[in-house]
Amino acid sequence: ETAVFQTPNYHVTQVGNEVSFNCKQTLGHDTMYWYKQDSKKLLKIMFSYNNKQLIVNETVPRRFSPQSSDKAHLNLRIKSVEPEDSAVYLCASSSRDFNQDTQYFGPGTRLLVL
Amino acid sequence: GQQVQQSPASLVLQEGENAELQCNFSTSLNSMQWFYQRPGGSLVSLFYNPSGTKHSGRLTSTTVIKERRSSLHISSSQTTDSGTYLCAASSGSWQLIFGSGTQLTVMP
Repeated sequence: ETAVFQTPNYHVTQVGNEVSFNCKQTLGHDTMYWYKQDSKKLLKIMFSYNNKQLIVNETVPRRFSPQSSDKAHLNLRIKSVEPEDSAVYLCASSSRDFNQDTQYFGPGTRLLVL
Repeated sequence: GQQVQQSPASLVLQEGENAELQCNFSTSLNSMQWFYQRPGGSLVSLFYNPSGTKHSGRLTSTTVIKERRSSLHISSSQTTDSGTYLCAASSGSWQLIFGSGTQLTVMP
């Protein structure tokens, strides 16, 4: 049963546009995450957000920014997309520090930048 | 170098055969997790297994910390087991490091 929801499922846009992806979890978890999965299926953490504390993977370009209204929502905004941003973006949540509990993933948002 | 290495990269089985997937991780990592991803689907958590052996139906996960390895055993494979299996480990900080995955195909 899905408990981490992501919209849209799929988005096509052009270089330079701004996009925003939504993520909501109904598990009552404290921590949410965004991952990028490339064409080789390799997953890389982008952000972690817990109790208003944001942790950023230093390799993430500055055009990416997470936005949270409450602990159940963590959206991802890309200010000016570039071709290499084409990927699947996965949102996840966990109930405690991620290394103490498993993470639950959403279905992902596939981004194609033309 | 890559901190989490999975093998094999791909595996083809006949239905009913068993599968053994391996994950090796560097000394700085622990807290092993296993995930399953259907083709075009989301990740499903299989096990959170920092050490020892855990069972879930036809799946068994064994993590041996001192040997820096974890395995996922699938017994009596079914066609519905086809997909990508990912292991991931953390360094005790916030980052979950994923392996490159094993693509499993179970033929009828």
